[in-house]
Amino acid sequence: EVQLVESGGGLVQPGGSLRLSCAASGFTFSSYWMSWVRQAPGKGLEWVANIKQDGSEKYYVDSVKGRFTISRDNAKNSLYLQMNSLRAEDTAVYYCARGTIAAANYYYMDVWGKGTTVTVSS
Amino acid sequence: SYVLTQPPSVSVAPGKTARITCGGNNIGSKSVHWYQQKPGQAPVLVIYYDSDRPSGIPERFSGSNSGNTATLTISRVEAGDEADYYCQVWDSSSDHPNVVFGGGTKLTVL
Repeated sequence: EVQLVESGGGLVQPGGSLRLSCAASGFTFSSYWMSWVRQAPGKGLEWVANIKQDGSEKYYVDSVKGRFTISRDNAKNSLYLQMNSLRAEDTAVYYCARGTIAAANYYYMDVWGKGTTVTVSS
Repeated sequence: SYVLTQPPSVSVAPGKTARITCGGNNIGSKSVHWYQQKPGQAPVLVIYYDSDRPSGIPERFSGSNSGNTATLTISRVEAGDEADYYCQVWDSSSDHPNVVFGGGTKLTVL
């Protein structure tokens, strides 16, 4: 069964750091782009970051550039999101998702984890 | 940056057809993907590449894309279709390509 399982969420103070993990199983992890997508309470989906199969390309939404780092370990079938200098507005459910890309034409996410909750509050 | 505009809500009676639009500048030149999200659950891909359905998605779900509007159509709507729906594109027009979501549309089955 194709599966993504996020972990690492929790309560953190503003300015603090957190590292999210996503464990993949049931497919060849190293063959896919991967993404993090978040959803603030009562709000819509917001893309956070993408990473290419070999980690050579990474893209971020402007609001997290310089604060968040996406990475992966293909040997461990795992995706990560290092989040530093956290702000209240980063409070959200964070989803890990598997991506499919075709050059400059399209990118979509066909497998999603259940999400992990990050709360930034003092 | 590229903007996708969806109506906040759409209502439809059971058995009727629901149409959810997604507007964007020349969106017809992009590939549009649609996700369904039920309360407390992760999103599920229901349409990709404008009109293709992943395995397991009922044929009642279809998509189209032309000009400045993409549309998700749900035929013979059922109570279980009640959910939030999001359109999404890949904006590769800059040196920093990014994923763009619409604001989401809440589908209510009357």
